[in-house]
Amino acid sequence: GAGVSQTPSNKVTEKGKYVELRCDPISGHTALYWYRQSLGQGPEFLIYFQGTGAADDSGLPNDRFFAVRPEGSVSTLKIQRTERGDSAVYLCASSPGAAGTDTQYFGPGTRLTVL
Amino acid sequence: GQSLEQPSEVTAVEGAIVQINCTYQTSGFYGLSWYQQHDGGAPTFLSYNGLDGLEETGRFSSFLSRSDSYGYLLLQELQMKDSASYFCAVRRHSGGYQKVTFGIGTKLQVIP
Repeated sequence: GAGVSQTPSNKVTEKGKYVELRCDPISGHTALYWYRQSLGQGPEFLIYFQGTGAADDSGLPNDRFFAVRPEGSVSTLKIQRTERGDSAVYLCASSPGAAGTDTQYFGPGTRLTVL
Repeated sequence: GQSLEQPSEVTAVEGAIVQINCTYQTSGFYGLSWYQQHDGGAPTFLSYNGLDGLEETGRFSSFLSRSDSYGYLLLQELQMKDSASYFCAVRRHSGGYQKVTFGIGTKLQVIP
C-alpha cells in the first residue's frame, strides 16, 4: 500500500505509565526497524525484525522496552514505567529484503512526551 | 568503537552548490548512505555508495573514499526546499546482517 504508517502521531503520558506505539510497514516488507530520535540527533537504532523474529535487539536501552511483530507485519513497541528521558520521536522503518541490504523507508514517527 | 562526524550546520545561498562531508570509523564497513529529513518529517533515502567514487542522482551526488573513510553529499542548484537535515549513515556487517548507524545530521539552511 502506501508508505509506513505509525500511530499515534503524538502521545503524552505521565511518568510511570505504560505506552504502546504501533507501526504498519509497507505491505510485503519483511524487515522492520525501530529507531529513537532526540532533538538535534540522528535516528538511534533500537531493534530489527526479520519476519516475526527480533534479529537484533541490542539497541533497546533497558528491559522497560520491548517490541513484538507477531504476524510478520504490524509491530508494536512497548515501554513500561515510562521515564522523562524516554521523551523522543520513535521512528519505524521497513525494507523489502533480508539482512538490511535495502533502502529503509521511514514512517512519520510517534512523538512521545513523558511528563 | 564506531563514530560518524559531519558538520552540525551549513548555510548556503539559493542556486549555489554545497558539500556536506562525513567521516567515519567503524568495523565491518559495507557502504555509506545519505538521508534527508525536513523538520517534523520522516527521513527519506537520497543515495548509497558501496564502492569508491561518485554517484549522481539529479541535483544530488554522493562520493565515497573507503581508503580515507570519507564521503560527501553534493547538492547543486540549491532550492529553498532543500533546507533540511542531512544524515550520513554507515552500513556495516553486524550479527549476520547490514546494520545502519546514523550520524547526528547536518542542518542545511538555504537563504535567498
